[in-house]
Amino acid sequence: AQKVTQAQTEISVVEKEDVTLDCVYETRDTTYYLFWYKQPPSGELVFLIRRNSFDEQNEISGRYSWNFQKSTSSFNFTITASQVVDSAVYFCALSEAQVGGYNKLIFGAGTRLAVHP
Amino acid sequence: DTAVSQTPKYLVTQMGNDKSIKCEQNLGHDTMYWYKQDSKKFLKIMFSYNNKELIINETVPNRFSPKSPDKAHLNLHINSLELGDSAVYFCASRRTGVTNEKLFFGSGTQLSVL
Repeated sequence: AQKVTQAQTEISVVEKEDVTLDCVYETRDTTYYLFWYKQPPSGELVFLIRRNSFDEQNEISGRYSWNFQKSTSSFNFTITASQVVDSAVYFCALSEAQVGGYNKLIFGAGTRLAVHP
Repeated sequence: DTAVSQTPKYLVTQMGNDKSIKCEQNLGHDTMYWYKQDSKKFLKIMFSYNNKELIINETVPNRFSPKSPDKAHLNLHINSLELGDSAVYFCASRRTGVTNEKLFFGSGTQLSVL
């Protein structure tokens, strides 16, 4: 069965610190997609990144970077030089295939990041 | 321009009542979803519709009845509301033709059952 584990429930850092949010997934599919979403205090879900199972290249977008390691089934997210505006709940998610080709997104439990000035 | 819009944003009601949440997307997507986020922030899929047809039903109690009048709308009707239904409900949509494209989420409806 597909599963996403975010073992860190809450992380608290001081501004400008680097922080890594862990994500471990389980799937029997050979083709799958991984996502990260951000949920700021305002409550909306903001898409951050999508990565397919065949692309293990790390990705960097500004202060954000993602490390995908199939060998350990992990898709970790690092924020460099964190800022107060990064405070949010971050969700890792896995897309599995369904009958008929329709997909559903399975979310981890989320990691609440608090960045203090 | 709001891509996925849900109404109402807040809904406070008494146990036993029936209520509906509406969702509309103007992205031209053909697949829509309802997700439930509980008090611990856990997000779980409830339903998915493709072109007005139900394709995913995650063993949700039959008090919950989604309705899709057309592919741009997916409404959620809840009968006989219970305390445990209190949660934030998110509508989402995506294109089916693109493999595993990201979901676009609405801003959520916070339902409080008293």
